Amino acid sequence: DAGVTQSPTHLIKTRGQQVTLRCSPKSGHDTVSWYQQALGQGPQFIFQYYEEEERQRGNFPDRFSGHQFPNYSSELNVNALLLGDSALYLCASSLGIGANVLTFGAGSRLTVL
Amino acid sequence: DQQVKQNSPSLSVQEGRISILNCDYTNSMFDYFLWYKKYPAEGPTFLISISSIKDKNEDGRFTVFLNKSAKHLSLHIVPSQPGDSAVYFCAASAAGSARQLTFGSGTQLTVLP
Repeated sequence: DAGVTQSPTHLIKTRGQQVTLRCSPKSGHDTVSWYQQALGQGPQFIFQYYEEEERQRGNFPDRFSGHQFPNYSSELNVNALLLGDSALYLCASSLGIGANVLTFGAGSRLTVL
Repeated sequence: DQQVKQNSPSLSVQEGRISILNCDYTNSMFDYFLWYKKYPAEGPTFLISISSIKDKNEDGRFTVFLNKSAKHLSLHIVPSQPGDSAVYFCAASAAGSARQLTFGSGTQLTVLP
């Protein structure tokens, strides 16, 4: 039973570029959330997708956007990259938007130079 | 404004002894609390949780205690094993927020053989 899978695992971009990260939820899950984990900090909530719509959003600028597809997979897009966007981006899935426990993927490590 | 705080960045414990990890929160709306464990190059994995209607929850070697009046929770691991060495994150969520998780900054637990 595959868990949450994310791609790519590592990537390097330069300031001003755009990046797309991908996530496939755990089998049977229909809700995807994205978190940003900066070095030495805990994960911070970016947004949550359910039924192909953004349902909840954390304190992140509009440069961060996402999408959920009919098969429940999701993408996170970040435009106009800043040095401060360097972080581990974690995708988490659950069944339903009110689930208490999330299952996390291993993350995509983004480095912005 | 850190709503969930883990004030100890690191903790070292001898194998077989008890490990106690602490977490404080400020938001009175939080009603569900979780502990996640994270190994390097892996995503956070769910360990144990507790609802605000309880003050203790046990699962094998792991016990979580909740003190609502002090807005404090702790994770006890007994006995500690070298395989428990990891970063432990405390997280909290509130009803009506689509259960987005607010994380602490983590505590690195090292269990010495």
